Amino acid sequence: GQNIDQPTEMTATEGAIVQINCTYQTSGFNGLFWYQQHAGEAPTFLSYNVLDGLEEKGRFSSFLSRSKGYSYLLLKELQMKDSASYLCAVMDSNYQLIWGAGTKLIIKP
Amino acid sequence: GAVVSQHPSWVICKSGTSVKIECRSLDFQATTMFWYRQFPKQSLMLMATSNEGSKATYEQGVEKDKFLINHASLTLSTLTVTSAHPEDSSFYICSARDSAGGETEAFFGQGTRLTVV
Repeated sequence: GQNIDQPTEMTATEGAIVQINCTYQTSGFNGLFWYQQHAGEAPTFLSYNVLDGLEEKGRFSSFLSRSKGYSYLLLKELQMKDSASYLCAVMDSNYQLIWGAGTKLIIKP
Repeated sequence: GAVVSQHPSWVICKSGTSVKIECRSLDFQATTMFWYRQFPKQSLMLMATSNEGSKATYEQGVEKDKFLINHASLTLSTLTVTSAHPEDSSFYICSARDSAGGETEAFFGQGTRLTVV
């Protein structure tokens, strides 16, 4: 079966760095997405990785290793507004998005 | 990025009535649209995938006669929840992709919070 695993909840301190991991097992791979979702709102796109390596975009970076079925989202210089759920999603061979359950990130002052 | 507009943002309806939710792609042609449902503290659950001009493909366990999806044009898809019941109360989100243009990224609407009383 298809499976996306990510931690349920993480806590970090304002100004610090946090890494949210995602492991996946899917039938085929056409890219991995990270989305941010604030409570009561729709997800917003953060990053897309299809090749191995690190993609940096401001305070957020995303890493992919296809051979390990592994990705992480790195958030630097954490701000209170970064408190949200972070969803990992993999696009399978049918171009369908398979979603992880999301990681709730709590930022403390 | 591309803009997907979903309307209404929230709706309260009486049990037994029907509710229509619209999803529009404002600046691109959405050849494929997806409808999701999200219960509190849970991840997105795909309900159905629709391609313009053809019937929607429903996920297992989703009643196609209850959740009517129409994707009649390249910029508009609608989800109608028929004979709504309190258990249908949820957050419904659409996303759209310009798959004909080779794009893989899907853009999300703002979501619709449905409460059935």
